[in-house]
Amino acid sequence: DAGVIQSPRHEVTEMGQEVTLRCKPISGHNSLFWYRQTMMRGLELLIYFNNNVPIDDSGMPEDRFSAKMPNASFSTLKIQPSEPRDSAVYFCASSTGIGSGGYTFGSGTRLTVV
Amino acid sequence: DQQVKQNSPSLSVQEGRISILNCDYTNSMFDYFLWYKKYPAEGPTFLISISSIKDKNEDGRFTVFLNKSAKHLSLHIVPSQPGDSAVYFCAARGGSNYKLTFGKGTLLTVNP
Repeated sequence: DAGVIQSPRHEVTEMGQEVTLRCKPISGHNSLFWYRQTMMRGLELLIYFNNNVPIDDSGMPEDRFSAKMPNASFSTLKIQPSEPRDSAVYFCASSTGIGSGGYTFGSGTRLTVV
Repeated sequence: DQQVKQNSPSLSVQEGRISILNCDYTNSMFDYFLWYKKYPAEGPTFLISISSIKDKNEDGRFTVFLNKSAKHLSLHIVPSQPGDSAVYFCAARGGSNYKLTFGKGTLLTVNP
Protein backbone atom coordinates (compact mmCIF):
# COMPACT_ATOMS: atom_id res chain seq x y z
CA ASP A 1 0.00 0.00 0.00
CA ALA A 2 1.39 3.39 -1.02
CA GLY A 3 -0.18 5.15 1.92
CA VAL A 4 -1.89 8.52 1.77
CA ILE A 5 -0.56 10.45 -1.20
CA GLN A 6 -0.52 14.23 -1.28
CA SER A 7 0.50 16.55 -4.07
CA PRO A 8 2.27 18.77 -4.56
CA ARG A 9 4.92 18.38 -1.84
CA HIS A 10 5.78 22.05 -2.05
CA GLU A 11 3.84 24.99 -3.42
CA VAL A 12 4.97 28.58 -3.66
CA THR A 13 2.42 31.04 -4.92
CA GLU A 14 1.76 34.74 -4.97
CA MET A 15 -0.84 36.35 -2.80
CA GLY A 16 -4.21 36.38 -4.49
CA GLN A 17 -3.65 33.26 -6.55
CA GLU A 18 -5.73 30.11 -6.31
CA VAL A 19 -4.08 27.09 -4.72
CA THR A 20 -5.31 23.51 -4.97
CA LEU A 21 -3.94 20.75 -2.78
CA ARG A 22 -4.66 17.14 -3.60
CA CYS A 23 -5.00 13.96 -1.61
CA LYS A 24 -5.46 10.29 -2.41
CA PRO A 25 -6.47 8.32 0.70
CA ILE A 26 -5.66 4.71 1.39
CA SER A 27 -7.98 2.39 -0.49
CA GLY A 28 -10.74 1.14 1.77
CA HIS A 29 -10.48 4.01 4.22
CA ASN A 30 -13.84 5.77 4.41
CA SER A 31 -12.81 8.77 6.51
CA LEU A 32 -10.64 11.60 5.27
CA PHE A 33 -9.30 14.56 7.21
CA TRP A 34 -7.51 17.77 6.24
CA TYR A 35 -5.21 19.25 8.88
CA ARG A 36 -3.07 22.37 8.89
CA GLN A 37 0.13 22.68 10.89
CA THR A 38 1.56 26.03 11.96
CA MET A 39 4.03 26.98 14.66
CA MET A 40 1.46 29.05 16.48
CA ARG A 41 -1.50 26.69 16.42
CA GLY A 42 0.03 23.26 15.92
CA LEU A 43 -2.11 20.70 14.08
CA GLU A 44 -5.63 21.94 13.44
CA LEU A 45 -8.44 19.93 11.87
CA LEU A 46 -9.92 21.83 8.93
CA ILE A 47 -12.54 19.45 7.61
CA TYR A 48 -13.62 15.84 7.88
CA PHE A 49 -15.31 13.62 5.26
CA ASN A 50 -17.01 10.33 5.89
CA ASN A 51 -17.97 8.21 2.87
CA ASN A 52 -17.15 11.22 0.64
CA VAL A 53 -19.60 13.47 2.48
CA PRO A 54 -18.35 16.51 4.39
CA ILE A 55 -19.36 15.98 8.00
CA ASP A 56 -17.78 18.90 9.77
CA ASP A 57 -16.09 21.91 8.21
CA SER A 58 -16.10 24.07 11.33
CA GLY A 59 -12.31 24.18 11.27
CA MET A 60 -12.17 25.81 7.85
CA PRO A 61 -10.83 29.26 8.70
CA GLU A 62 -12.63 31.35 6.09
CA ASP A 63 -14.79 31.17 3.01
CA ARG A 64 -11.60 31.37 0.99
CA PHE A 65 -11.09 27.71 1.91
CA SER A 66 -13.11 24.94 0.30
CA ALA A 67 -12.75 21.18 0.13
CA LYS A 68 -14.29 18.50 -2.02
CA MET A 69 -14.27 14.74 -2.18
CA PRO A 70 -15.83 13.73 -5.52
CA ASN A 71 -15.09 10.04 -4.97
CA ALA A 72 -13.56 7.66 -2.45
CA SER A 73 -10.08 7.99 -3.88
CA PHE A 74 -9.60 11.74 -4.25
CA SER A 75 -10.01 14.96 -2.31
CA THR A 76 -8.97 18.55 -2.89
CA LEU A 77 -8.46 21.53 -0.62
CA LYS A 78 -8.67 24.85 -2.42
CA ILE A 79 -7.70 28.30 -1.22
CA GLN A 80 -8.94 31.21 -3.32
CA PRO A 81 -7.60 33.83 -3.01
CA SER A 82 -4.51 32.82 -1.07
CA GLU A 83 -2.92 35.08 1.54
CA PRO A 84 0.52 35.02 3.22
CA ARG A 85 -1.05 33.89 6.51
CA ASP A 86 -2.17 30.71 4.77
CA SER A 87 1.45 29.60 4.64
CA ALA A 88 1.64 26.31 6.52
CA VAL A 89 2.00 22.58 6.05
CA TYR A 90 -1.28 20.97 5.05
CA PHE A 91 -1.77 17.30 5.88
CA CYS A 92 -4.34 14.88 4.60
CA ALA A 93 -5.12 11.80 6.69
CA SER A 94 -7.42 8.83 6.25
CA SER A 95 -8.78 6.13 8.49
CA THR A 96 -11.18 3.19 8.45
CA GLY A 97 -13.75 5.02 10.50
CA ILE A 98 -14.63 6.72 13.70
CA GLY A 99 -13.85 3.72 15.87
CA SER A 100 -10.34 3.22 14.60
CA GLY A 101 -7.48 4.29 16.78
CA GLY A 102 -5.22 6.18 14.52
CA TYR A 103 -5.14 8.07 11.30
CA THR A 104 -2.65 7.53 8.51
CA PHE A 105 -1.20 10.84 7.43
CA GLY A 106 0.24 11.83 4.10
CA SER A 107 3.61 13.55 3.87
CA GLY A 108 2.01 16.96 3.65
CA THR A 109 2.10 19.93 1.30
CA ARG A 110 4.24 22.85 2.37
CA LEU A 111 2.48 25.98 1.12
CA THR A 112 4.24 29.31 0.95
CA VAL A 113 2.25 32.36 -0.10
CA VAL A 114 4.42 35.37 -0.89
CA ASP B 1 -8.51 27.35 24.14
CA GLN B 2 -5.94 24.59 24.00
CA GLN B 3 -7.53 21.35 25.16
CA VAL B 4 -4.39 19.26 24.74
CA LYS B 5 -1.16 20.76 26.02
CA GLN B 6 2.41 19.67 25.66
CA ASN B 7 4.24 22.16 27.80
CA SER B 8 7.76 21.12 26.86
CA PRO B 9 8.64 22.24 23.34
CA SER B 10 11.83 20.19 23.44
CA LEU B 11 13.61 17.45 25.37
CA SER B 12 17.15 16.17 25.09
CA VAL B 13 18.31 12.81 26.48
CA GLN B 14 21.30 10.52 26.19
CA GLU B 15 21.13 7.32 24.23
CA GLY B 16 20.15 4.41 26.45
CA ARG B 17 18.39 6.57 29.00
CA ILE B 18 14.65 7.01 29.51
CA SER B 19 12.72 9.68 27.61
CA ILE B 20 9.53 10.93 29.26
CA LEU B 21 7.18 13.09 27.23
CA ASN B 22 4.24 14.68 29.00
CA CYS B 23 0.79 15.78 27.94
CA ASP B 24 -2.08 17.41 29.81
CA TYR B 25 -5.68 17.75 28.73
CA THR B 26 -8.63 19.74 29.95
CA ASN B 27 -11.65 18.09 28.33
CA SER B 28 -13.06 15.38 30.58
CA MET B 29 -14.99 13.99 27.60
CA PHE B 30 -11.78 12.70 26.04
CA ASP B 31 -11.72 8.92 26.33
CA TYR B 32 -9.01 7.85 23.93
CA PHE B 33 -5.47 9.12 23.69
CA LEU B 34 -2.78 8.64 21.08
CA TRP B 35 0.84 9.48 20.49
CA TYR B 36 2.19 10.28 17.06
CA LYS B 37 5.79 10.61 15.96
CA LYS B 38 6.88 12.95 13.20
CA TYR B 39 10.14 13.12 11.31
CA PRO B 40 11.02 16.23 9.26
CA ALA B 41 9.33 16.40 5.85
CA GLU B 42 7.06 13.47 6.73
CA GLY B 43 3.56 13.19 8.08
CA PRO B 44 2.89 12.12 11.67
CA THR B 45 2.83 8.37 12.19
CA PHE B 46 0.77 6.59 14.82
CA LEU B 47 2.88 5.24 17.67
CA ILE B 48 0.74 4.03 20.57
CA SER B 49 -2.67 4.65 22.11
CA ILE B 50 -4.56 4.14 25.33
CA SER B 51 -8.21 3.99 26.24
CA SER B 52 -9.44 5.86 29.27
CA ILE B 53 -10.43 2.58 30.91
CA LYS B 54 -6.77 1.69 31.22
CA ASP B 55 -3.90 3.37 33.00
CA LYS B 56 -1.03 1.81 31.09
CA ASN B 57 -0.33 0.45 27.65
CA GLU B 58 2.99 -0.99 26.59
CA ASP B 59 4.44 -1.74 23.17
CA GLY B 60 8.07 -2.71 23.11
CA ARG B 61 10.19 0.23 24.22
CA PHE B 62 7.16 2.52 24.37
CA THR B 63 4.77 2.79 27.29
CA VAL B 64 1.95 5.26 27.72
CA PHE B 65 0.61 6.06 31.18
CA LEU B 66 -2.73 7.72 31.82
CA ASN B 67 -3.73 9.50 35.04
CA LYS B 68 -7.36 10.42 34.57
CA SER B 69 -7.74 12.23 37.85
CA ALA B 70 -4.87 14.52 36.93
CA LYS B 71 -5.87 14.65 33.26
CA HIS B 72 -2.31 13.76 32.42
CA LEU B 73 -0.62 11.24 30.20
CA SER B 74 2.98 10.47 29.50
CA LEU B 75 5.00 8.52 26.98
CA HIS B 76 8.04 6.64 28.20
CA ILE B 77 10.71 5.44 25.81
CA VAL B 78 13.20 2.99 27.26
CA PRO B 79 15.94 2.73 26.19
CA SER B 80 16.06 5.82 24.02
CA GLN B 81 17.81 5.50 20.66
CA PRO B 82 19.09 8.18 18.27
CA GLY B 83 16.45 7.09 15.76
CA ASP B 84 13.79 8.15 18.24
CA SER B 85 14.75 11.78 17.61
CA ALA B 86 11.57 13.34 16.25
CA VAL B 87 8.61 15.51 17.18
CA TYR B 88 6.07 13.69 19.33
CA PHE B 89 2.43 14.75 19.29
CA CYS B 90 -0.12 13.85 21.90
CA ALA B 91 -3.70 13.58 20.62
CA ALA B 92 -7.08 12.99 22.23
CA ARG B 93 -10.55 11.99 21.12
CA GLY B 94 -13.84 12.17 22.96
CA GLY B 95 -16.67 9.61 22.83
CA SER B 96 -18.31 9.48 19.44
CA ASN B 97 -16.46 12.58 18.39
CA TYR B 98 -14.29 11.66 15.45
CA LYS B 99 -11.98 14.61 15.90
CA LEU B 100 -8.45 14.12 17.09
CA THR B 101 -7.27 17.18 19.01
CA PHE B 102 -3.50 17.49 18.95
CA GLY B 103 -0.97 19.12 21.22
CA LYS B 104 1.69 21.33 19.68
CA GLY B 105 4.34 18.66 19.95
CA THR B 106 7.62 18.04 21.76
CA LEU B 107 10.90 17.78 19.88
CA LEU B 108 12.87 14.86 21.30
CA THR B 109 16.60 14.72 20.62
CA VAL B 110 18.45 11.56 21.61
CA ASN B 111 22.19 12.15 21.70
CA PRO B 112 24.58 9.29 20.93
